[in-house]
Amino acid sequence: AQSVSQHNHHVILSEAASLELGCNYSYGGTVNLFWYVQYPGQHLQLLLKYFSGDPLVKGIKGFEAEFIKSKFSFNLRKPSVQWSDTAEYFCAVISETGNQFYFGTGTSLTVIP
Amino acid sequence: NAGVTQTPKFQVLKTGQSMTLQCAQDMNHEYMSWYRQDPGMGLRLIHYSVGAGITDQGEVPNGYNVSRSTTEDFPLRLLSAAPSQTSVYFCASSYGSGANGYTFGSGTRLTVV
Repeated sequence: AQSVSQHNHHVILSEAASLELGCNYSYGGTVNLFWYVQYPGQHLQLLLKYFSGDPLVKGIKGFEAEFIKSKFSFNLRKPSVQWSDTAEYFCAVISETGNQFYFGTGTSLTVIP
Repeated sequence: NAGVTQTPKFQVLKTGQSMTLQCAQDMNHEYMSWYRQDPGMGLRLIHYSVGAGITDQGEVPNGYNVSRSTTEDFPLRLLSAAPSQTSVYFCASSYGSGANGYTFGSGTRLTVV
């Protein structure tokens, strides 16, 4: 079975600080990787996704993620966070069949103005 | 507006009561899923469907039933509610394989007392 680990449970940053959230997955085959964001009181929204090709993926709102196959990692980054980035961030992996997503437990990000 | 619509948004049940959480999408998506979100546990798959008439169990199916009589609708039934089913429930859908990423509904917050 696949699994996703997010090691940072709660991150607190000041505005303009750089962000990196860790995500590791366990699956030996071809995977598709995602980062979702959930703003307070809202549903999950897709930030970015990786299928193949360039391992550096750019998403919305200045976020990017790097897929490192040898490390089974897909870390999320943003060079300068804003207060509006306060949210919960979920890493997810889906198998080749695409039938099931496996989500990490999420990282809660608080950005202090 | 296109999207995934969940009703109700909030619900309080007494232990032993039954109810149905509704989910509808108007995007002609084949894949639909139900997740529950609990603090510190991320999102866990309850049931999913790859098309009308086809459903399958996810990670935590006990206590829940689903059916998929139409492409648009994917209701989740709680047969006899238990306090352990207190959670936020999200419905999600995807066109074709879920590898394209899911569109999530706005969630149903269920409390079982």
